[in-house]
Amino acid sequence: EAGVTQSPTHLIKTRGQQVTLRCSPISGHTSVYWYQQALGLGLQFLLWYDEGEERNRGNFPPRFSGRQFPNYSSELNVNALELEDSALYLCASKNRDRGYQPQHFGDGTRLSIL
Amino acid sequence: SQQGEEDPQALSIQEGENATMNCSYKTSINNLQWYRQNSGRGLVHLILIRSNEREKHSGRLRVTLDTSKKSSSLLITASRAADTASYFCAAFLNRDDKIIFGKGTRLHILP
Repeated sequence: EAGVTQSPTHLIKTRGQQVTLRCSPISGHTSVYWYQQALGLGLQFLLWYDEGEERNRGNFPPRFSGRQFPNYSSELNVNALELEDSALYLCASKNRDRGYQPQHFGDGTRLSIL
Repeated sequence: SQQGEEDPQALSIQEGENATMNCSYKTSINNLQWYRQNSGRGLVHLILIRSNEREKHSGRLRVTLDTSKKSSSLLITASRAADTASYFCAAFLNRDDKIIFGKGTRLHILP
């Protein structure tokens, strides 16, 4: 079974630019979660998508947005990048219909803002 | 506010010793999970304990949960070099709510 895959693995941008990160969940998983992990910090919840709909959102400004496609893959978009957006962005997936199951994580996209 | 707060922030022990990490949370939970993160990688799920459970084992891992104290502990017995990683607890308020992670405990196993 293929795991959660994220692309790209690394990305360097400058302030003010826009970026799109991509995530492919495990086959059969309908829920996708996005997290931000700044250096030395824990994971901050960004967004949760399920069945193509945004189900919940963390305490982040509107310039963080995303979507989920019919095949359950997902994109995270960040506009007007700021230096503090430098972080590891992690995607996780889960099959929502399988009760209290853990999330399965990809290896993340490391975003550096210069 | 953070639901999960791990303690200690960092821990260094000799290979073969046991490692204990603690987690505290602030509100009622449905379940609590522990994850491991190797440097620069994604998180790997270790163990889930439901709110009506008090202790759970998985291989060299033992997790306890005290809902009256809103705390959990993760014990790794007979530590190995490969156990060097960051460990996070994650509080789940209900079935599909946001996961609230703590900042993690960085565990370093000394040869």
